[in-house]
Amino acid sequence: DAKTTQPNSMESNEEEPVHLPCNHSTISGTDYIHWYRQLPSQGPEYVIHGLTSNVNNRMASLAIAEDRKSSTLILHRATLRDAAVYYCILSPPRGNDYKLSFGAGTTVTVRA
Amino acid sequence: DTEVTQTPKHLVMGMTNKKSLKCEQHMGHRAMYWYKQKAKKPPELMFVYSYEKLSINESVPSRFSPECPNSSLLNLHLHALQPEDSALYLCASSRPPGLAGGRAKNIQYFGAGTRLSVL
Repeated sequence: DAKTTQPNSMESNEEEPVHLPCNHSTISGTDYIHWYRQLPSQGPEYVIHGLTSNVNNRMASLAIAEDRKSSTLILHRATLRDAAVYYCILSPPRGNDYKLSFGAGTTVTVRA
Repeated sequence: DTEVTQTPKHLVMGMTNKKSLKCEQHMGHRAMYWYKQKAKKPPELMFVYSYEKLSINESVPSRFSPECPNSSLLNLHLHALQPEDSALYLCASSRPPGLAGGRAKNIQYFGAGTRLSVL
């Protein structure tokens, strides 16, 4: 499976944007880029996913580089509730099952 | 309803005990998963069930025995565990595989987990 590389940690101030980078230089043409986050004492939670085009939803935006070797998750206005570990995951086709291989992720701290 | 319910929330067991973890979802998902998460580490996949059949076993020791009795329920039976098996056990589910666009929408919904301590 293609691997992803993320910074170990990032800090942000409340109400400011957060840009979380992810490198995936060995991504294949059919891999989707998924982001999940895990708040303290909870299970992971889906945030957003994309293939080639930038994507927006109510939680975040995903900006994908033209060569697809990197992507950035953007939280537009961080709140204290956004403090979590954010995982960037590549999702390859695998028959009828979907295997998510979690990397170490980025721990986001939000200062009040 | 996008909820995956896991019970119990906490479990303490001895190495000779037999216990079971339960996971339930009512979203019509036909793929269900067990993950193990040690402290400060990412979740690691253990098992995948697809249409109630075991499709992936990530070389998990036989002291962990999964069961999927119906499309809404997933169990993990525990027997003769070791202290190093203490961890957060997470259950997840996803939409039925093979549907149009299904691969793109590999969205897994996770429960809050069962925190297991083996003494």
